[in-house]
Amino acid sequence: SQTIHQWPATLVQPVGSPLSLECTVEGTSNPNLYWYRQAAGRGLQLLFYSVGIGQISSEVPQNLSASRPQDRQFILSSKKLLLSDSGFYLCAWMVQGGTEAFFGQGTRLTVV
Amino acid sequence: KQEVTQIPAALSVPEGENLVLNCSFTDSAIYNLQWFRQDPGKGLTSLLLIQSSQREQTSGRLNASLDKSSGRSTLYIAASQPGDSATYLCASWWAAGNKLTFGGGTRVLVKP
Repeated sequence: SQTIHQWPATLVQPVGSPLSLECTVEGTSNPNLYWYRQAAGRGLQLLFYSVGIGQISSEVPQNLSASRPQDRQFILSSKKLLLSDSGFYLCAWMVQGGTEAFFGQGTRLTVV
Repeated sequence: KQEVTQIPAALSVPEGENLVLNCSFTDSAIYNLQWFRQDPGKGLTSLLLIQSSQREQTSGRLNASLDKSSGRSTLYIAASQPGDSATYLCASWWAAGNKLTFGGGTRVLVKP
């Protein structure tokens, strides 16, 4: 069966520090991968998605970047965090051409 | 613009009452619609997926309907229990896009 892993579960980082959040999927090949952010009291906003290794699409201009170095690995990064980067980050995957999305358990990021 | 809306943002019901959660979308050419549950501080759990060719899906006490012509989906939870307290999100996938677009969610509290 397929599983999705996200880590860390929680993170407190100072303003200006770098960020690296990792997401891996097991039990499937060539999935579509997604990074969403959920700010306090707000809905889920799509940040990035990827349909293959090295293929990244950005939905909104921001202080973050994403990379997909391996088929089932999706990384969210920042060189210098801002206070506004605080939020709950969720990784998701979907079978290519599929119709159902599956989410990880999320990372709570607090920038102080 | 393709948007998804959930009203109300919060709902409180006594235990045993049936829950009716609403989701509306602006573009009737959806590919599918997915309902999720989110517990505080956790990721999203997929509840039901309705394909564009379907009118409803059922799983246990949950039933979701889809009316593309009116741009609406409804999630029914029969005989609510305190354990049903959570935030419920709906999300639509449009054929022209490559992502799920989420509503803002409805936070449900079932009082014992």
